[in-house]
Amino acid sequence: SQQGEEDPQALSIQEGENATMNCSYKTSINNLQWYRQNSGRGLVHLILIRSNEREKHSGRLRVTLDTSKKSSSLLITASRAADTASYFCASRSNDYKLSFGAGTTVTVRA
Amino acid sequence: DTEVTQTPKHLVMGMTNKKSLKCEQHMGHRAMYWYKQKAKKPPELMFVYSYEKLSINESVPSRFSPECPNSSLLNLHLHALQPEDSALYLCASSQGGGRGYTEAFFGQGTRLTVV
Repeated sequence: SQQGEEDPQALSIQEGENATMNCSYKTSINNLQWYRQNSGRGLVHLILIRSNEREKHSGRLRVTLDTSKKSSSLLITASRAADTASYFCASRSNDYKLSFGAGTTVTVRA
Repeated sequence: DTEVTQTPKHLVMGMTNKKSLKCEQHMGHRAMYWYKQKAKKPPELMFVYSYEKLSINESVPSRFSPECPNSSLLNLHLHALQPEDSALYLCASSQGGGRGYTEAFFGQGTRLTVV
């Protein structure tokens, strides 16, 4: 990927379980963002965490950021079938670049 | 209106053709982006326009030619493409200037097939 790795590459969970995915990035950032993509179409922004923040919540989403390790995690709680999608982290550097990690494919089984 | 509109949705072109992809947003965003995405891969940044000026070109081959006619429109002109250029092309926009470090809004993409 342009910026870093994500793990796992794929995740299969039961409805109601939590899903956790991790992301690493390579360069210094202004913020770290998470996006969802359904069926290879457009990406939808989920949440943004700034470089001076360590944790952020939005509904069923929880994001952490560790700038010393250049890593972030996304937790989706109480997953639903509609959460089935690919999830990408994207690091925003100080020159308008928004670079995406490799992505995690999440399948939520009913 | 929080939409980024891309046309066409699908495009099949021959290697000798010239075609253009179009992208439009009316959110007042001053940064606009082109990404290329191959199947099961992340989006790869191609170009960034800031205030209608090209600010980033990620060493993209010259057969891809971007254009930003005004603050709402972004085009990608295609000429003499190769089959390996077949991909989903995504346009995105975000606020510009000092507020440029915000989320990006993506269009639904143009699925390009080069034959």
